[in-house]
Amino acid sequence: AQKVTQAQTEISVVEKEDVTLDCVYETRDTTYYLFWYKQPPSGELVFLIRRNSFDEQNEISGRYSWNFQKSTSSFNFTITASQVVDSAVYFCARLSGSARQLTFGSGTQLTVLP
Amino acid sequence: NAGVTQTPKFRVLKTGQSMTLLCAQDMNHEYMYWYRQDPGMGLRLIHYSVGEGTTAKGEVPDGYNVSRLKKQNFLLGLESAAPSQTSVYFCASSYAVSAGPTDTQYFGPGTRLTVL
Repeated sequence: AQKVTQAQTEISVVEKEDVTLDCVYETRDTTYYLFWYKQPPSGELVFLIRRNSFDEQNEISGRYSWNFQKSTSSFNFTITASQVVDSAVYFCARLSGSARQLTFGSGTQLTVLP
Repeated sequence: NAGVTQTPKFRVLKTGQSMTLLCAQDMNHEYMYWYRQDPGMGLRLIHYSVGEGTTAKGEVPDGYNVSRLKKQNFLLGLESAAPSQTSVYFCASSYAVSAGPTDTQYFGPGTRLTVL
């Protein structure tokens, strides 16, 4: 099976620190899509970003930024100046162009301490 | 525009009982999905549907059945619940563009199911 690996199970930081969540994926497809979702304590899954395999431009949205590197099969997520409200479980996922299945990583629990 | 809704939010079953989870979306999405979330394992796909009247198996389909009689609804059934099916169940939907099933999946709020 082509896996998505989030090696960091739990991360704790103090408010205003920067934090990077790692995601490494496996794929045999030339076309694929990568996603990040946020799951706050309330339990819902919130879509954050989608990145296509043919677009390696990094993206910044406010305090969030994503670094996509095909050479290392990584799609890392950085939160700058973290806030308590960023505390959540963050999931990385991959959708292959030839399949209809989202494969999720096991998630990273981020705790931002005041 | 409610997005994706799930009914019920919580349910407790005894082993061997049956139940149906309902997912509804008002975004006119073609594709719908059922996932289960277990601690430390992320989300795993149970079944999915690429259009009204169609269903297909995902990664962990055993013990579940699904139906998509209407485009906006996707039902997940447990015929004889087992404690191993204790989990949080998420429904999702996405719009299929001509290029294929590559669109973002939007998730419902989840259903927490406990089987005793």
